[in-house]
Amino acid sequence: EAGVTQFPSHSVIEKGQTVTLRCDPISGHDNLYWYRRVMGKEIKFLLHFVKESKQDESGMPNNRFLAERTGGTYSTLKVQPAELEDSGVYFCASSQSKGLNTEAFFGQGTRLTVV
Amino acid sequence: AQSVTQLGSHVSVSEGALVLLRCNYSSSVPPYLFWYVQYPNKGLQLLLKYTSAATLVKGINGFEAEFKKSETSFHLTKPSAHMSDAAEYFCAVSFFGGYQKVTFGTGTKLQVIP
Repeated sequence: EAGVTQFPSHSVIEKGQTVTLRCDPISGHDNLYWYRRVMGKEIKFLLHFVKESKQDESGMPNNRFLAERTGGTYSTLKVQPAELEDSGVYFCASSQSKGLNTEAFFGQGTRLTVV
Repeated sequence: AQSVTQLGSHVSVSEGALVLLRCNYSSSVPPYLFWYVQYPNKGLQLLLKYTSAATLVKGINGFEAEFKKSETSFHLTKPSAHMSDAAEYFCAVSFFGGYQKVTFGTGTKLQVIP
């Protein structure tokens, strides 16, 4: 079974440009989460989808970030325009259903560098 | 509010020695606690979790952690380090519902010296 996959694995863009990160969850997983780790800091929650609906987006830093999950399958996270402080590793995770016995599986992350 | 504090951003142990990675948590409600591991160029992998059942939790690869409410701790241990244990380890906390809005610590990089 394929795991959570994220594209691209690395991205280097200039300040002011737009970048779109993609996450393909495990097939059949309704829950999809985005997290971000800024260099040297903790991994922080960004938002949570249940199917195509945003369940919780309280961790989104500002309105330069837009997450979508059309059709409840893969998700994209767009940063427009990118700023230097957006650099970090963006993780995606998915889980089958709510509840304490449902493990969230993480992708390997997208390393974003804004120069 | 909930948070975790991992003591030591880098820990070095000799191969065969005890591994002890420290984690203290803060939570206003009974917590669920996790340890994740990230091997180089890999995603985060769940090592073990505490969800209010047994306080001593056994995980994969010989790791275990003990929930100590009086000390608000959830330290990760392994009796004998192996070279393949070199990775970054994250302690994390959540509450009811398990995996929603998990709060992570800053991570501890474990180096194993031959």
